[in-house]
Amino acid sequence: EVQLVESGGGLVQPGGSLRLSCAASGFTFSSYWLGWVRQAPGKGLEWVANIKPDGSEKYYVDSVKGRFSISRDNAKNSLYLQMNSLRAEDTAVYYCVKGWSNYLPWGQGTLVTVSS
Amino acid sequence: QSALTQPPSASGSPGQSVTISCTGTSSDVGGYNYVSWYQQYPGKAPKLMIYEVSKRPSGVPDRFSGSKSGNTASLTVSGLQAEDEADYYCSSYAASNNFVFGTGTKVTVL
Repeated sequence: EVQLVESGGGLVQPGGSLRLSCAASGFTFSSYWLGWVRQAPGKGLEWVANIKPDGSEKYYVDSVKGRFSISRDNAKNSLYLQMNSLRAEDTAVYYCVKGWSNYLPWGQGTLVTVSS
Repeated sequence: QSALTQPPSASGSPGQSVTISCTGTSSDVGGYNYVSWYQQYPGKAPKLMIYEVSKRPSGVPDRFSGSKSGNTASLTVSGLQAEDEADYYCSSYAASNNFVFGTGTKVTVL
């Protein structure tokens, strides 16, 4: 069974940093694009970033460029999202997703709250 | 990247059909056949229902179908059932390896 399990969310002050992790199992991790999608409380979905199977290409939504960094460790079947200079508007549930243009499955999500 | 436009709500009685629209531009929906649809229950992660405009993943009932005309994609749920009551989001490739989601539609089964 394909599984994605996120961790690392929590409460952080504006300007702070947080690193999210996603542990994957049940598929050949190194063969797939992976990404992050977020959902602010009571709001819609927003694509955040994705990364090529070998990690050589990374793409971001404009609002996080220069602040967030996506990475992966194919030896550990793990995906990461380093989030710096966090803002209140980054408050959301962050989902780890498998795939390039369509996402199956999704993780259960991890909540990031940016507040003083 | 601007969000794709969906109606905030849609409804139908059990057994009826409901169609949700997803309107973008020639730079996203109209330019590529990479439109997907997701179903989300409150407090749960989204689930892929349709990909590449009209393809259904294994396990998704054939009551769910997708189509596209110009800059607008559509999701149709036929034979509406109580468990279809959920939020639905479209998404599309938007060039330069960027992706955009729709604003979301709440489907109510009357």
